Amino acid sequence: DIQMTQSPSSLSASVGDRVTITCRASQSISSYLNWYQQKPGKAPKLLIYAASSLQSGVPSRFSGSGSGTDFTLTISSLQPEDFATYYCQQSYSTPYSTFGPGTKVDIK
Amino acid sequence: EVQLVESGGGLVQPGGSLRLSCAASGFTFSSYEMNWVRQAPGKGLEWVSYISSSGSTIYYADSVKGRFTISRDNAKNSLYLQMNSLRAEDTAVYYCARVVVGATKIDIWGQGTMVTVSS
Repeated sequence: DIQMTQSPSSLSASVGDRVTITCRASQSISSYLNWYQQKPGKAPKLLIYAASSLQSGVPSRFSGSGSGTDFTLTISSLQPEDFATYYCQQSYSTPYSTFGPGTKVDIK
Repeated sequence: EVQLVESGGGLVQPGGSLRLSCAASGFTFSSYEMNWVRQAPGKGLEWVSYISSSGSTIYYADSVKGRFTISRDNAKNSLYLQMNSLRAEDTAVYYCARVVVGATKIDIWGQGTMVTVSS
């Protein structure tokens, strides 16, 4: 099974900050990596797919990069609505996809 | 509007059964592969099961294999998850989710339905 890790597990940031979240796969997954945002009590929302492609309707302050085993989600200027938990997901072994444990972004 | 609406969750005793439903609208349901994904309280996301657009190909996570059955009725635009021999560790919010691009991304999620397994 492909295991996913994320760092940090949580972070505190201010509006306007640049935020970077890292995701690592236990083996190479090429670019089969997605990022989701989840707010409390809500379903996840797709932000980035194929490591770096922005899902339609998602603000351009979100970006993704990486390939192989190491990936990054960057929020260029944190907005109030961005405080949420972020999950990476590998789809290399689809449909047996696995998610990372999540990174909670809260207000400093 | 593209929408997925789950129903059927509730409280069930260990060893019991429950059937979840997911009603799809706003898109051609029969053209899409579907997943069930769950989330235990305060925990992360776990893929549970996959079904192809025709229903001919099905996969399960090891944690539910032999106990859960995924199915679909394309004429009714509906997805189902029959859950038997339920355990406390199956307690979670269950989401139905549409997958695209060769099942490599989940682009639409339902709002989720809560399943609680407890005596």
